[in-house]
Amino acid sequence: KAGVTQTPRYLIKTRGQQVTLSCSPISGHRSVSWYQQTPGQGLQFLFEYFSETQRNKGNFPGRFSGRQFSNSRSEMNVSTLELGDSALYLCASSLAQGAFEQYFGPGTRLTVT
Amino acid sequence: AQKVTQAQTEISVVEKEDVTLDCVYETRDTTYYLFWYKQPPSGELVFLIRRNSFDEQNEISGRYSWNFQKSTSSFNFTITASQVVDSAVYFCALSEGETSGSRLTFGEGTQLTVNP
Repeated sequence: KAGVTQTPRYLIKTRGQQVTLSCSPISGHRSVSWYQQTPGQGLQFLFEYFSETQRNKGNFPGRFSGRQFSNSRSEMNVSTLELGDSALYLCASSLAQGAFEQYFGPGTRLTVT
Repeated sequence: AQKVTQAQTEISVVEKEDVTLDCVYETRDTTYYLFWYKQPPSGELVFLIRRNSFDEQNEISGRYSWNFQKSTSSFNFTITASQVVDSAVYFCALSEGETSGSRLTFGEGTQLTVNP
């Protein structure tokens, strides 16, 4: 069974631009969560989607948004990029909403210049 | 609010040594779940174990073992006879079950280096 896939793997953007990252969960998994990883703040929860609805949201500004499609694939968008948004963005999928085992993708490395 | 503390920032051992990674958590919920993940240099987080708050039995999987003690709010991870391939960053994480859905609160991570 294929794992969680994320595209693109690497991205370089300029401050002020916007970016969209994509995540395809493991087949059969319906919950997708997003995390930001930085050296200073560590791993922080962004949001969770289940059945195309945002179920949980972390403490991030409104510039960070996401959505989930009917096939459970998810996208996250960051508008008006700031230098501090440079990070590894990880997507995780699980069978359903709740404290199930979450399986992570390889991440998208975003660099904002 | 929930919190996970991994006091050991870096650990360096020689191959075949046993090593224990500490994890202390804080939560007000009586139902919660604890996890360990491994992050090799490639960056992908690899799931190792999930344990719920009602199951305090220790678990062993090959060279890996976990010691869960509610009395001290700890969920420690031991690697027996460490190998170079065990070198990675290890994260302990907490989920408060019903109240937080799939949301994981991670510790700061412990960088383990196993030298040949």
